[in-house]
Amino acid sequence: KAGVTQTPRYLIKTRGQQVTLSCSPISGHRSVSWYQQTPGQGLQFLFEYFSETQRNKGNFPGRFSGRQFSNSRSEMNVSTLELGDSALYLCASTLPSNTEAFFGQGTRLTVV
Amino acid sequence: GENVEQHPSTLSVQEGDSAVIKCTYSDSASNYFPWYKQELGKGPQLIIDIRSNVGEKKDQRIAVTLNKTAKHFSLHITETQPEDSAVYFCAAYNNAGNMLTFGGGTRLMVKP
Repeated sequence: KAGVTQTPRYLIKTRGQQVTLSCSPISGHRSVSWYQQTPGQGLQFLFEYFSETQRNKGNFPGRFSGRQFSNSRSEMNVSTLELGDSALYLCASTLPSNTEAFFGQGTRLTVV
Repeated sequence: GENVEQHPSTLSVQEGDSAVIKCTYSDSASNYFPWYKQELGKGPQLIIDIRSNVGEKKDQRIAVTLNKTAKHFSLHITETQPEDSAVYFCAAYNNAGNMLTFGGGTRLMVKP
């Protein structure tokens, strides 16, 4: 059974650019959550999607957005990148009736 | 919102010794408490979890205890091995928010 797949694994972007990250959940999982991991702030919740609807959003600026498609795949977008957006972005998926969250390997974003 | 504190931030033990990591949470509505292990370059891996209607759970060398009254839960690893070296995160889940709130992490080093 394939795990959570995130692409790309690594990205280098310039300040002011925008970026799109992709997450394919485990087959059958319909909830997808995104987290930002940095050495200073740890793991912080960005947003959660279920059946193409955003159910919850963390305390991040509007530059961070996401969406979920009918096949449960999800994307997150960060516009007008800042140096402080450099982080490991993690995606997790869960079954509809379960709380066990399984993480992908993450996308390492570096903003220069 | 929920706040999870985790101690210690670093823990060094000799191979074969036990390791204990403690977490406290603030929201009494939280009802699910997973523990994750993160190795270098990888996403967090779920290693054990406990729900609010259970006081203790064991899985081979790993155990988790939960004290709902005191709002704290702990991870116990017995007979530690060098491959247990990693960063461990505790988390609390709240149904209302559909999100995990993570502790700051504990870097466990097991010396051979």
